[in-house]
Amino acid sequence: EILMTQSPVTLSVSPGERATLSCRASQSLGSNLAWYQQKPGQAPRLLIYAASTRATGIPARFSGRGSGTEFTLTISSLQSEDFAVYYCQQYYNWPPYTFGQGTKLEIK
Amino acid sequence: EVQLVESGGGLVQPGGSLRLSCAASGFTFNTYWVHWVRQLPGQGLVWVSGLSSDGSTTEYADSVKGRFTISRDNAKDTLDLQMNSLRAEDTAVYYCVRSMITFGGLGVPLDYWGQGILVTVSS
Repeated sequence: EILMTQSPVTLSVSPGERATLSCRASQSLGSNLAWYQQKPGQAPRLLIYAASTRATGIPARFSGRGSGTEFTLTISSLQSEDFAVYYCQQYYNWPPYTFGQGTKLEIK
Repeated sequence: EVQLVESGGGLVQPGGSLRLSCAASGFTFNTYWVHWVRQLPGQGLVWVSGLSSDGSTTEYADSVKGRFTISRDNAKDTLDLQMNSLRAEDTAVYYCVRSMITFGGLGVPLDYWGQGILVTVSS
């Protein structure tokens, strides 16, 4: 089973600033990584797949980079609606699909 | 518009059973793998089970293998999860999830999620 580790656990950023979230895999994934956003009381929403491809309807301020074992999600200019929990997920080797523990992005 | 709507959750005693259902609409159900993913209270996401588009291939997390059974009815566009021998640690919100089109069962992202249904296992 591939272990996914996200950092930091909590990130405090002011609106309008840039946020960078990290995700590390216990083995190489190639580019088989996705990012999800989850707001309180809501289901997760797919943001990024194939490490850097934005899902349908996702704003351009969201970008993903990386390959192998190291990945990042960057939100270039934080809007109020972006404060949420973000999860990375590997789909290189399944079952099982595995997720990181999440990064909570909070308002500074 | 893709929609996945879960039903069947609730309170059940340890050792009991519960059957979750998911009604799908807005897409050609019989061409997609579908899954159940759960989220323990205040915690992260855990994949539980997946089922191929034609229903011939099932996959389970080790934690539920032998206790949970996933099934689908492509004529009715529904997905079910039969949960037996429930434990306190099965308490979670359960999401019905679609994955992107895949060939040969290769891993793909999970692109649409239902709103989730709460299952509570407690005496």
